[in-house]
Amino acid sequence: SQTIHQWPATLVQPVGSPLSLECTVEGTSNPNLYWYRQAAGRGLQLLFYSVGIGQISSEVPQNLSASRPQDRQFILSSKKLLLSDSGFYLCACTGTGYEQYFGPGTRLTVT
Amino acid sequence: AQRVTQPEKLLSVFKGAPVELKCNYSYSGSPELFWYVQYSRQRLQLLLRHISRESIKGFTADLNKGETSFHLKKPFAQEEDSAMYYCALLLTGGFKTIFGAGTRLFVKA
Repeated sequence: SQTIHQWPATLVQPVGSPLSLECTVEGTSNPNLYWYRQAAGRGLQLLFYSVGIGQISSEVPQNLSASRPQDRQFILSSKKLLLSDSGFYLCACTGTGYEQYFGPGTRLTVT
Repeated sequence: AQRVTQPEKLLSVFKGAPVELKCNYSYSGSPELFWYVQYSRQRLQLLLRHISRESIKGFTADLNKGETSFHLKKPFAQEEDSAMYYCALLLTGGFKTIFGAGTRLFVKA
């Protein structure tokens, strides 16, 4: 079955600094990949999804971008972080039955 | 617009009591619904999906299209059931899943 790796696990960055969060997937090929932000009381907000290399769909206009340079690699980036970018970021992929498999998450604090 | 509503942010029950976590959805297409669970210090993971019609860890959920609900039930709660539970709706096409805000279940000894 699929395994999702994310790093770093935690990150503290100053406002205005760049961001790069990485996600890799094992155990499947050509997966649909997703970035979510999880906020207490607000559930999971879908940020980006990708159905293939170089194909990115953005769900929410914001300060973030995503890229998929390889089949099983998904990257979340920002050129200049805002305080409002703080949160818990989850990477996920879809299983054969369209269920979602999640990574361990990255806790981002922008100071 | 598609939406998943979990009206309770927190649900607290005693061990051995029945538990029901509510989920209502709004969707014009054919709904496919899931429950996901996140235990403390663990990843968010699939608990069950309505098309499988199975019981997982004693939990069941029935899709009621008339009431647009997919409530999660367990007749006798256990302390290890304490976790965050998310109801989710898979949109037609299989590319996107909409999640509810989540319900934190706390089972007291």
